[in-house]
Amino acid sequence: SQQGEEDPQALSIQEGENATMNCSYKTSINNLQWYRQNSGRGLVHLILIRSNEREKHSGRLRVTLDTSKKSSSLLITASRAADTASYFCATSPSGAGSYQLTFGKGTKLSVIP
Amino acid sequence: NAGVTQTPKFQVLKTGQSMTLQCAQDMNHEYMSWYRQDPGMGLRLIHYSVGAGITDQGEVPNGYNVSRSTTEDFPLRLLSAAPSQTSVYFCASSYSIRTSGTGELFFGEGSRLTVL
Repeated sequence: SQQGEEDPQALSIQEGENATMNCSYKTSINNLQWYRQNSGRGLVHLILIRSNEREKHSGRLRVTLDTSKKSSSLLITASRAADTASYFCATSPSGAGSYQLTFGKGTKLSVIP
Repeated sequence: NAGVTQTPKFQVLKTGQSMTLQCAQDMNHEYMSWYRQDPGMGLRLIHYSVGAGITDQGEVPNGYNVSRSTTEDFPLRLLSAAPSQTSVYFCASSYSIRTSGTGELFFGEGSRLTVL
């Protein structure tokens, strides 16, 4: 069964605005990762945050992790048309099954020029 | 570096036929995996491997077979294709499996399979 669930399922914003996507998960994790998928392409890794980290930045991306609420958020600042894509969170569970990276269903982001 | 290479990119099968999706990586990654992606379902793990000679089942393994004879290759076999196996298949590999869970996955471009 799917571990992570993204919210919202779809998001449409104007270029220059910030985009926030959320991910909730069910069990304890070793790490949580965010990926981007452009239409018809493979997924590309964006950022990995470990369970003992609370916030991480990479360029215009900011990821937060709240293990007490079992949730994470991805913030894309000053969005560009090129950010239009689907975004997925993936969780690496702690303990048995830790090799099974489980993906959510994704958030489809549209950035309007 | 080519990264993760999948072949074929497109394939049409008839029900009951068998085929193999090929996956190769040139990054010396120990971890390799196969996912299928269906509309509205996200990615679901089929099989994975943590090294040559070691494979294990994921969430949706039925109807699929894998083997890992070398570090580089991880083929996915469809034993008797069914329309329910119509999907986009992604192979992915990673360098980190021993500490802090599975690390960053590197994905291939996908293989689009239609079963009639």
